[in-house]
Amino acid sequence: EAGVVQSPRYKIIEKKQPVAFWCNPISGHNTLYWYRQNLGQGPELLIRYENEEAVDDSQLPKDRFSAERLKGVDSTLKIQPAELGDSAVYLCASSPTKGLAGGHEQFFGPGTRLTVL
Amino acid sequence: QKEVEQNSGPLSVPEGAIASLNCTYSDRVSQSFFWYRQYSGKSPELIMSIYSNGDKEDGRFTAQLNKASQYVSLLIRDSQPSDSATYLCAVIPGAYSGGGADGLTFGKGTHLIIQP
Repeated sequence: EAGVVQSPRYKIIEKKQPVAFWCNPISGHNTLYWYRQNLGQGPELLIRYENEEAVDDSQLPKDRFSAERLKGVDSTLKIQPAELGDSAVYLCASSPTKGLAGGHEQFFGPGTRLTVL
Repeated sequence: QKEVEQNSGPLSVPEGAIASLNCTYSDRVSQSFFWYRQYSGKSPELIMSIYSNGDKEDGRFTAQLNKASQYVSLLIRDSQPSDSATYLCAVIPGAYSGGGADGLTFGKGTHLIIQP
């Protein structure tokens, strides 16, 4: 089974420029997550999708961040304009929706390392 | 604020010994608990999940859960140099309410070093 695919793997931009990250989840996984991981920290949730619906975006900085998952499969996370503090690794994860109190493992893609200069 | 606490380490363990990693969480009604391994420059890799009190074994790894004490641990038997990594404890806070899983709350990770 193919894993979560993300691109690009690395991105270097000047501050105030826009940037976009793309994610393709594991086939059949309805739930998709975007996390941000700063150096020396654990990942922090930005947004969760159930199919094409954003069901938890409470941690997404909405003034500059946006996300979409138009057909309930691939997703794009955008930052416009980028700030120096946005330098981090942006991780996409997916999980099957099993409807149980267990079986909610989340699998991560390789991440996109963003450097804002 | 739901929190997950881990000792950041580094935890140094001789090769062949048992490595013991610990984690506490603040949300008493949490139901789902996970351990991820993260090598430097790589993304987190799921190694164990546990949902019920007690022990769960998978090869050299054993996860232990004590909901009364709000404590999760990971034991690695016969530690190998390739086990050297940062181990992240993650929790889905709150009770399960149906549908897909909520986002994970992570600790900062414990840096484990296995000495040859």
